Amino acid sequence: DTGVSQDPRHKITKRGQNVTFRCDPISEHNRLYWYRQTLGQGPEFLTYFQNEAQLEKSRLLSDRFSAERPKGSFSTLEIQRTEQGDSAMYLCASSMGLAIGIMNTGELFFGEGSRLTVL
Amino acid sequence: TQLLEQSPQFLSIQEGENLTVYCNSSSVFSSLQWYRQEPGEGPVLLVTVVTGGEVKKLKRLTFQFGDARKDSSLHITAAQPGDTGLYLCAGAGNMDTGRRALTFGSGTRLQVQP
Repeated sequence: DTGVSQDPRHKITKRGQNVTFRCDPISEHNRLYWYRQTLGQGPEFLTYFQNEAQLEKSRLLSDRFSAERPKGSFSTLEIQRTEQGDSAMYLCASSMGLAIGIMNTGELFFGEGSRLTVL
Repeated sequence: TQLLEQSPQFLSIQEGENLTVYCNSSSVFSSLQWYRQEPGEGPVLLVTVVTGGEVKKLKRLTFQFGDARKDSSLHITAAQPGDTGLYLCAGAGNMDTGRRALTFGSGTRLQVQP
């Protein structure tokens, strides 16, 4: 399977614990995105990378959230000191981006998501 | 507050009926995409519209991008149970905020009864 893969698919944790999600994008894609989605809502943008550079971050990405893409391939999203409000589906997507200055974006290919439940 | 508002939020119709979903924003986007998402899966792209006033057809689905590139609509003709899902519009290249990444709408959940 050469699609976007995310791990773990489900994570249940206690409030205050740290969690880390991993995303492996489609290999030839240079852009990688993280979104958060709660039940019945559209995905909310968190951050995106072009290669290893983190180009945009949402205000939703508080100081408890950090994302990395150290070698421009896979990415990790870490949430420190989890809160119940962090419970959501965390979606990763990748695309073949154009030059940084270009506003348009190509098709985003999404993974199946990592569902986080904070007790 | 969602930057892109979709209406209606939920729609339940009978097989064979027609429907239209609207996506509205106060911001201008360089392009707009429509995705469909099924439970337990990520969204899947249906179409991208780029030019103001553009109309694209995909079998029974017709997509339109507003002249001012602030709004869009999705019209489904003769809906089928297989059309059931969450429909999401997403704007790229927000000309007002400068954000390049996709901003998704609030979603429209469609249920087509056989």
